Amino acid sequence: AQSVTQPDIHITVSEGASLELRCNYSYGATPYLFWYVQSPGQGLQLLLKYFSGDTLVQGIKGFEAEFKRSQSSFNLRKPSVHWSDAAEYFCAVGVKDNFNKFYFGSGTKLNVKP
Amino acid sequence: DVKVTQSSRYLVKRTGEKVFLECVQDMDHENMFWYRQDPGLGLRLIYFSYDVKMKEKGDIPEGYSVSREKKERFSLILESASTNQTSMYLCASTEGETQYFGPGTRLLVL
Repeated sequence: AQSVTQPDIHITVSEGASLELRCNYSYGATPYLFWYVQSPGQGLQLLLKYFSGDTLVQGIKGFEAEFKRSQSSFNLRKPSVHWSDAAEYFCAVGVKDNFNKFYFGSGTKLNVKP
Repeated sequence: DVKVTQSSRYLVKRTGEKVFLECVQDMDHENMFWYRQDPGLGLRLIYFSYDVKMKEKGDIPEGYSVSREKKERFSLILESASTNQTSMYLCASTEGETQYFGPGTRLLVL
């Protein structure tokens, strides 16, 4: 069965520091991979996605993610965090079997220290 | 620009009431989804629809039903609201392989 694991529930980083949020998935083939961000009380906004090709993908707000097939991982990175990046981040797997079902991780809540 | 809207941002209902949550997308998407989001549990799929009048149960359909009479509108119905249905409800629609979300409805059942 497909699953998505985000091992870090909470992460705190200082403003200006680098960030890496971890995501591991379980799926038999190469899935479609996504990162979403959710600000308090809001819906989910798409940050970036990977379908195929170059394993390093760029997204909005200065984020990037790298697909590593050997590790079944799709970690999200940002070289310098801004206070406005404080939010909850969700990794998701899209499965193209029957109507594009999606599986989400449980989320990582990011706090940014001044 | 992709646009998914939900009829209410906040709702307060009483136990036993029938509750309707509406979701509209204006992009002619075929697939639409309803999730609920609870702390520590992430997003859980309640129902999805792949065409007008077509629906499939997700992982937690109990206590919910859905309606899709028009392609752009997907409604979630709580037949008799209960306190354990207090949650954040998120609607999404799919363009190709990518899912886009509405702003969410936070429902409180008293």
